[in-house]
Amino acid sequence: NAGVTQTPKFQVLKTGQSMTLQCAQDMNHNSMYWYRQDPGMGLRLIYYSASEGTTDKGEVPNGYNVSRLNKREFSLRLESAAPSQTSVYFCASSGGTAGSYEQYFGPGTRLTVT
Amino acid sequence: EDQVTQSPEALRLQEGESSSLNCSYTVSGLRGLFWYRQDPGKGPEFLFTLYSAGEEKEKERLKATLTKKESFLHITAPKPEDSATYLCAVQAGDDKIIFGKGTRLHILP
Repeated sequence: NAGVTQTPKFQVLKTGQSMTLQCAQDMNHNSMYWYRQDPGMGLRLIYYSASEGTTDKGEVPNGYNVSRLNKREFSLRLESAAPSQTSVYFCASSGGTAGSYEQYFGPGTRLTVT
Repeated sequence: EDQVTQSPEALRLQEGESSSLNCSYTVSGLRGLFWYRQDPGKGPEFLFTLYSAGEEKEKERLKATLTKKESFLHITAPKPEDSATYLCAVQAGDDKIIFGKGTRLHILP
């Protein structure tokens, strides 16, 4: 039981390049989330998916797109990376049982945009 | 505006010196309050969920409590391995989840 997995673990991009961060969970959770974590800012929600086939914007969605590929997988795409997107990105999932809202996080992707 | 504030930002304790971390919140219709532990370079790890005022949860040296305006994470006789950042999050009535900025805890041997 791997929990939540993320790839890649590290990435360096040049301004304007694109990339996709991958996330998968094996806990049969309905909801999945993408956060970014910056020093002094805490965790900020980028996008979330309450169930397969649905996605919604969070607090900081500009510059990102997401795809809920199936119940297990939720990807985050940066179409044209900017230095302001340098951050640590975490994927999380929740909702394996009714009323269960605690989130389980992946190990993170450390992204640097130069 | 829904808000979560954690204090202090950082705390240094001697091994065995008990203390408490605070999480105060203002949200519309609290559905749950969560505590997480985050080690450097890793993702947050779920610790506790509290649903209503008066509720308490315990795990080893940690005990979380909840009132109508705040939650405390009590650490009893901490050890160096308890050093981490502790995050508090609340789930509002509209299911929005808001995280605090965390308390960095350092336990000196």
